[in-house]
Amino acid sequence: GAVVSQHPSWVICKSGTSVKIECRSLDFQATTMFWYRQFPKQSLMLMATSNEGSKATYEQGVEKDKFLINHASLTLSTLTVTSAHPEDSSFYICSARDGDHSYEQYFGPGTRLTVT
Amino acid sequence: GQNIDQPTEMTATEGAIVQINCTYQTSGFNGLFWYQQHAGEAPTFLSYNVLDGLEEKGRFSSFLSRSKGYSYLLLKELQMKDSASYLCAVLDSNYQLIWGAGTKLIIKP
Repeated sequence: GAVVSQHPSWVICKSGTSVKIECRSLDFQATTMFWYRQFPKQSLMLMATSNEGSKATYEQGVEKDKFLINHASLTLSTLTVTSAHPEDSSFYICSARDGDHSYEQYFGPGTRLTVT
Repeated sequence: GQNIDQPTEMTATEGAIVQINCTYQTSGFNGLFWYQQHAGEAPTFLSYNVLDGLEEKGRFSSFLSRSKGYSYLLLKELQMKDSASYLCAVLDSNYQLIWGAGTKLIIKP
């Protein structure tokens, strides 16, 4: 099956610093990647959708200058949380889709971010 | 607007059968997914239905009725490891996944 990796799996950072999370599709080309955020005991919240080589499409209420997304290749997308604050602490999950073959989204294992 | 409804929480007994319902109202329909998510982990794919009817896969089955905007996930011979959240998601006319809030399933011995 299709495998998506995420790195790091968890990170603790100080308020005001920036954190970069990587999402890689290991055995397929991801035409589209998605970034989600999930707070404890809540459902997934889509933050943005990115297609390789183009700007990400952000959902309403998500600050694009705070959550920088780069989908530089068909196997890598990065999410950078800039000037992180404690309220940004959450579980960040990426998913990838090989749109040429199916519309199923393959999820990465997630990154738990704690901002102190 | 787009809306997906599923129960917030359900409780069932080990060895029993449970049905988790999902109703949807979306702009277009290109299929419905069920995902399982254990606490602290990412979702994993369970099933995909695009045509009406029942799809069976081992202990799990998924049903779809497009005319009723309705689906259910049926779990048989429940095991303690089935305790998780089950997410219903619809692929809309723009091929975007619209997510339900998830159903937390609690399995009791």
